Amino acid sequence: SQKIEQNSEALNIQEGKTATLTCNYTNYSPAYLQWYRQDPGRGPVFLLLIRENEKEKRKERLKVTFDTTLKQSLFHITASQPADSATYLCALPRSSASKIIFGSGTRLSIRP
Amino acid sequence: SAVISQKPSRDICQRGTSLTIQCQVDSQVTMMFWYRQQPGQSLTLIATANQGSEATYESGFVIDKFPISRPNLTFSTLTVSNMSPEDSSIYLCSVSPETSREQYFGPGTRLTVT
Repeated sequence: SQKIEQNSEALNIQEGKTATLTCNYTNYSPAYLQWYRQDPGRGPVFLLLIRENEKEKRKERLKVTFDTTLKQSLFHITASQPADSATYLCALPRSSASKIIFGSGTRLSIRP
Repeated sequence: SAVISQKPSRDICQRGTSLTIQCQVDSQVTMMFWYRQQPGQSLTLIATANQGSEATYESGFVIDKFPISRPNLTFSTLTVSNMSPEDSSIYLCSVSPETSREQYFGPGTRLTVT
């Protein structure tokens, strides 16, 4: 069955450094991959979508890569700030393109 | 993007009762989804709410336990029936615009069953 894996352990990063989060998937050839941010007590917020034919996508301080051979996506936050502290979820489409499956998320903490 | 509101934001309910959660969107959308997020877990899709037809439920979720209504293109309700403590969770609705793949989520309803 389709499986998405994210680092279950929290990631603690010093402010100003680059945070890198990993999303691995198996039994899957998704046409695209998404990343969301979720703050405590709130619903997820969409950040970026990267398609299978795109190697890299950027948005401000965010960068996402998509390696369909390794079946992996990396999510980078450069010049990290305490306000970036949140849980980050990767999501992939199911067989029905309108539905998506979420990974378990990685909690990121940026310390001043 | 879409702006989504949910009511109630939280509730504490007794075992055996039912709670209806409302989801309102500021624009017309075809696809609306209901998710559950248990403490410390990721989101699990409960069902897809289709306007004009019955909801489509995911494996492990049944209509008798989670009846859904979708009377128009901007509104949906999810009822959690005959609740038990295992139903304690955050329930979220989301929408997906037809022109894009991302989903927009409501703020969630935090349900505690005692």
